[in-house]
Amino acid sequence: AQSVTQLGSHVSVSEGALVLLRCNYSSSVPPYLFWYVQYPNQGLQLLLKYTSAATLVKGINGFEAEFKKSETSFHLTKPSAHMSDAAEYFCAVSERTGGFKTIFGAGTRLFVKA
Amino acid sequence: DAGVIQSPRHEVTEMGQEVTLRCKPISGHNSLFWYRQTMMRGLELLIYFNNNVPIDDSGMPEDRFSAKMPNASFSTLKIQPSEPRDSAVYFCASSLEGSKGYEQYFGPGTRLTVT
Repeated sequence: AQSVTQLGSHVSVSEGALVLLRCNYSSSVPPYLFWYVQYPNQGLQLLLKYTSAATLVKGINGFEAEFKKSETSFHLTKPSAHMSDAAEYFCAVSERTGGFKTIFGAGTRLFVKA
Repeated sequence: DAGVIQSPRHEVTEMGQEVTLRCKPISGHNSLFWYRQTMMRGLELLIYFNNNVPIDDSGMPEDRFSAKMPNASFSTLKIQPSEPRDSAVYFCASSLEGSKGYEQYFGPGTRLTVT
């Protein structure tokens, strides 16, 4: 069965600094991997996804993530944080095993300091 | 496209009352998911439909919860009777299974408060 671990429930960075949000997964088959973002009082929206094509995936708002099979990781990065990036970020893994199910991580809340 | 539509956006009810949450998925999507989000437990999958058929309801907390999908454009999640511990934000999401990626599109959620 698949699972997702997000390291750090809270991450704080200064505006303009590198953003790094960590995600490790386990899956018995080649997975689909996702990062979603949730702004206050809104639903989750897709930032980017990995579907077994290029291992470096670029998403919206300048975010990108790299799939590393050997490390079972899918960390999210952004070179320069903006105040508007403050939100909660969820890593998710999907696999088809007699149905289709997505497992979400616990989430990491990103704070951006001026 | 209007996206996933949920109603009501907010619901306040007294313990013991019946609550019905509604969802209209994105047109053409064939999978629908109900989630519950709380501070304590995070985001939990309650039930997943594919082509209007419940595929996995292992996340439904107990018999007080039930979900239906009578057609491809409508689903309900019912709680009867409601309890204070059911207070949470309930999200509906839809996706097109079979497409490359299987990403889910979330509605804005229904904030349920049971007093």
